[in-house]
Amino acid sequence: KQEVTQIPAALSVPEGENLVLNCSFTDSAIYNLQWFRQDPGKGLTSLLLIQSSQREQTSGRLNASLDKSSGRSTLYIAASQPGDSATYLCAVLAGAGKSTFGDGTTLTVKP
Amino acid sequence: GAVVSQHPSWVICKSGTSVKIECRSLDFQATTMFWYRQFPKQSLMLMATSNEGSKATYEQGVEKDKFLINHASLTLSTLTVTSAHPEDSSFYICSARDPGSGGNLDTQYFGPGTRLTVL
Repeated sequence: KQEVTQIPAALSVPEGENLVLNCSFTDSAIYNLQWFRQDPGKGLTSLLLIQSSQREQTSGRLNASLDKSSGRSTLYIAASQPGDSATYLCAVLAGAGKSTFGDGTTLTVKP
Repeated sequence: GAVVSQHPSWVICKSGTSVKIECRSLDFQATTMFWYRQFPKQSLMLMATSNEGSKATYEQGVEKDKFLINHASLTLSTLTVTSAHPEDSSFYICSARDPGSGGNLDTQYFGPGTRLTVL
């Protein structure tokens, strides 16, 4: 059974810092890995999708890497802003089309 | 990218009533859709897999008679919470699978979610 773990559970940083969120998964037989952002009381916003054959994806200040063999992914956020404050979820898509989500990292960026 | 919609986005109902939530894939045909539930401050947990034209497959611990799923077309799946109780209050999110050309292009697209509050 796939298990997804995100570390840390919560993170508070001053504005302008670069930061890294971690996601690990137990079964490396995945189709892809996706990072989402979720604001309080809201739905999911897809940030980056990395196919199993890829090693990284970039979008603006965000960079996500994938090391399938070791079961790890990182989300790098450069020059953080207060508007980046949210919960970040990673989800792994494996067989039968099911996604398994981590518990998320709640990020607070202080002005 | 592909779009998945949910309706309603927010619903309040009295205990004992039934509530239907719709999930639609707007620009692709989804033979498979998934329903997730998210309790406050927790992550998303898969409830069931909805297959077009056949019965849904429920995850362990999910009551199939309480959470009725119908996937009557390639673009629509519905989740009906029957005889809702306050403990059913949650955020329900659907996703639709776009197999693309197969293999690594298999991708899920998530709906915006429906917040259910049962009084």
